[in-house]
Amino acid sequence: QKEVEQNSGPLSVPEGAIASLNCTYSDRGSQSFFWYRQYSGKSPELIMSIYSNGDKEDGRFTAQLNKASQYVSLLNRDSQPSDSATYLCAVSGSARQLTFGSGTQLTVLP
Amino acid sequence: DGGITQSPKYLFRKEGQNVTLSCEQNLNHDAMYWYRQDPGQGLRLIYYSQIVNDFQKGDIAEGYSVSREKKESFPLTVTSAQKNPTAFYLCASSSLGWNEQYFGPGTRLTVT
Repeated sequence: QKEVEQNSGPLSVPEGAIASLNCTYSDRGSQSFFWYRQYSGKSPELIMSIYSNGDKEDGRFTAQLNKASQYVSLLNRDSQPSDSATYLCAVSGSARQLTFGSGTQLTVLP
Repeated sequence: DGGITQSPKYLFRKEGQNVTLSCEQNLNHDAMYWYRQDPGQGLRLIYYSQIVNDFQKGDIAEGYSVSREKKESFPLTVTSAQKNPTAFYLCASSSLGWNEQYFGPGTRLTVT
């Protein structure tokens, strides 16, 4: 059974703090990893993709991938109230389909 | 503007009726997908298509049907056989060879 698990929320951080969102996956054949942001009532928006071990930075977001530990994370280094949303981790395995986690709700307090 | 459109935004139907959800994209993507999202849950794959006139079942295809007669269009029919059809339905597309999927705005279906 392929699974993607995210740390349980909700997660609250003050404005300007670092928010850390974590995700583990069970399929060792997974090749591609994505983070989507979903505002309440809206569709998911792709904010980060990562394909190889290590860190990938894009603006205030940093994705970290460790395939040996089957772990991918998303750091928001300067959280803003507008970042308050649910963050979905998605993993693409050998079948090239995406499996989504159930999401972590993040609230950034002004 | 390139993007994915879904219509309608909200849809209300009586139990026992079939309903068709529209999905159109002008991104020239080859692959298209249908997902279902229930409150507090992640997305579950219903059907996907990587090429015109071909499609495959996802994890929860029972009670749903699709067609892919044009590259730009991938409509989803929710049939009366779907036991719990009330949900948020999301269409996505991607280029073949890339796994990055982009989503339309979604259709919220309520069946009573």
